[in-house]
Amino acid sequence: EAGVVQSPRYKIIEKKQPVAFWCNPISGHNTLYWYLQNLGQGPELLIRYENEEAVDDSQLPKDRFSAERLKGVDSTLKIQPAELGDSAVYLCASSLAGHQETQYFGPGTRLLVL
Amino acid sequence: SQQGEEDPQALSIQEGENATMNCSYKTSINNLQWYRQNSGRGLVHLILIRSNEREKHSGRLRVTLDTSKKSSSLLITASRAADTASYFCATDLTGTALIFGKGTTLSVSS
Repeated sequence: EAGVVQSPRYKIIEKKQPVAFWCNPISGHNTLYWYLQNLGQGPELLIRYENEEAVDDSQLPKDRFSAERLKGVDSTLKIQPAELGDSAVYLCASSLAGHQETQYFGPGTRLLVL
Repeated sequence: SQQGEEDPQALSIQEGENATMNCSYKTSINNLQWYRQNSGRGLVHLILIRSNEREKHSGRLRVTLDTSKKSSSLLITASRAADTASYFCATDLTGTALIFGKGTTLSVSS
């Protein structure tokens, strides 16, 4: 069974530039998550999708971050414009149904904003 | 905000020794999960323990949960160099998503 796929694995951009991350969850998983992980910290939830619906986006900085999950499968997280403080690892995870179940994580995208 | 706090922040042991790390949390939970993260990789699920359970085992892993003390512990027996990683507890609060702690960094030397 293929795991959660994320791309790119690494991204270096200059501040004020836009950037996008892509995630393909495990087949059949209805719930998809985007997390932000700073160095030495645990993941922090940005947004959670149940199928196509964003059910928890309270921690998503909506002035510069946006996300979509068309057709309830893969998802894209965008930052525009990027700031220096956005440098972090962006993790995507999926679970079969609901946030109380085991989450399966992708390898993450490491973003460096210069 | 972080709900779970792991202790210690860092742990260094020799191969063959046992490693114990603890997690404390603040409010009532539905379940508690432990994850492992190798350097530069995503998180891997280890064990999920529900609020009505007190202990679970999985191979060399043993997890306990004390809801009266709002704490959990993860025991890795007979540690191996491959166990070197960061370990996170994650708590599931009613109606919200998992909240991860800052993690314990385990280093196992041969």
